[in-house]
Amino acid sequence: DAMVIQNPRYQVTQFGKPVTLSCSQTLNHNVMYWYQQKSSQAPKLLFHYYDKDFNNEADTPDNFQSRRPNTSFCFLDIRSPGLGDAAMYLCATSVGSQETQYFGPGTRLLVL
Amino acid sequence: RKEVEQDPGPFNVPEGATVAFNCTYSNSASQSFFWYRQDCRKEPKLLMSVYSSGNEDGRFTAQLNRASQYISLLIRDSKLSDSATYLCVVRRSNQGGKLIFGQGTELSVKP
Repeated sequence: DAMVIQNPRYQVTQFGKPVTLSCSQTLNHNVMYWYQQKSSQAPKLLFHYYDKDFNNEADTPDNFQSRRPNTSFCFLDIRSPGLGDAAMYLCATSVGSQETQYFGPGTRLLVL
Repeated sequence: RKEVEQDPGPFNVPEGATVAFNCTYSNSASQSFFWYRQDCRKEPKLLMSVYSSGNEDGRFTAQLNRASQYISLLIRDSKLSDSATYLCVVRRSNQGGKLIFGQGTELSVKP
């Protein structure tokens, strides 16, 4: 029944070691989003895909990249994680950009 | 100033209490409004949309005042299971329907 799946749920990486977070969806939604949520802060949109069109937020660091090889999957790549990148990373999907967003359970990233 | 601002928490209330959360937004391009609930270490989940006429869902009542750019959520007869963080969220009419989240207000309902 899982609709938006994120793997892994917990990820530990070393400072500067590239890491990839995965999101998949069974909803066949057109739009996929990646948010970063640090402790006691609001989720912050990093970027989103509308189908294959990539939309980066102006203040998203270059260290963060994304790939969407097909409708179902979307990846978040962090090229050189810093201590400040430790956060919960939330994937969400929606049918269209004005429709309800459904969130996955998140991946909690720890950088050592 | 943050685009969406909420009451600072935490709110600690006894079971059965009525509690109200307030939220203000600064961007007049905001067109849609929501309350999300987020349990500890879990993802946000949509609690309810907020309409100009006000709307109710069981024990939850949401109000919107566009002139004042103010949103509220009222929870009546609080249950232990209502303990969570409540996020005020707005969607802009531009920028592809981007959601802007408030920081959230933590609610703790005690027996």
